[in-house]
Amino acid sequence: GENVEQHPSTLSVQEGDSAVIKCTYSDSASNYFPWYKQELGKRPQLIIDIRSNVGEKKDQRIAVTLNKTAKHFSLHITETQPEDSAVYFCAAPGGGSTLGRLYFGRGTQLTVWP
Amino acid sequence: NAGVMQNPRHLVRRRGQEARLRCSPMKGHSHVYWYRQLPEEGLKFMVYLQKENIIDESGMPKERFSAEFPKEGPSILRIQQVVRGDSAAYFCASSPGQGLQETQYFGPGTRLLVL
Repeated sequence: GENVEQHPSTLSVQEGDSAVIKCTYSDSASNYFPWYKQELGKRPQLIIDIRSNVGEKKDQRIAVTLNKTAKHFSLHITETQPEDSAVYFCAAPGGGSTLGRLYFGRGTQLTVWP
Repeated sequence: NAGVMQNPRHLVRRRGQEARLRCSPMKGHSHVYWYRQLPEEGLKFMVYLQKENIIDESGMPKERFSAEFPKEGPSILRIQQVVRGDSAAYFCASSPGQGLQETQYFGPGTRLLVL
């Protein structure tokens, strides 16, 4: 099955700085890569996703880049705000018999200091 | 358009009891997924269902755990004879069921505590 590694596990930045979270995956059949934000005690919320036909996607202060050759994808948050503080998870789908499920990274606790 | 609904939001059971967790997918969605999240960990896949059909249950323990998604009504995740190690947050997600590798939208979760 797919193996998703996520780094760093914790990230602290000053308000206004940028934050970058990186993930690698193992299954070359994966072609959809979502990012979820989870606040304490809440549901994972999709914030951005990318499919393998593009290398980058941007939505206001959030962007995701994908390198299919190297099998890694990254989340970039610019001009961070305290309300960006949460746990962020990357994910990748399985292929073959595991098609349908998502494999999640272990998460990155982002703290934005005012 | 209501999102994915789960109930109960919190469930307390004593060891040996049964836990039933319910999930109603988003309107128009026919695929349901169940994930388990332990404290300070990522989500782990358990089972993937369509209406009246289990597509992939390889992430679910073979004993004590079962899942269904009937033609009418919510999807149910059932845990029999719960043990302390079953304490976790259980999240359900749904997708439209119109293609491969679809976006999954999550419910608010059920937090199960086994005493």
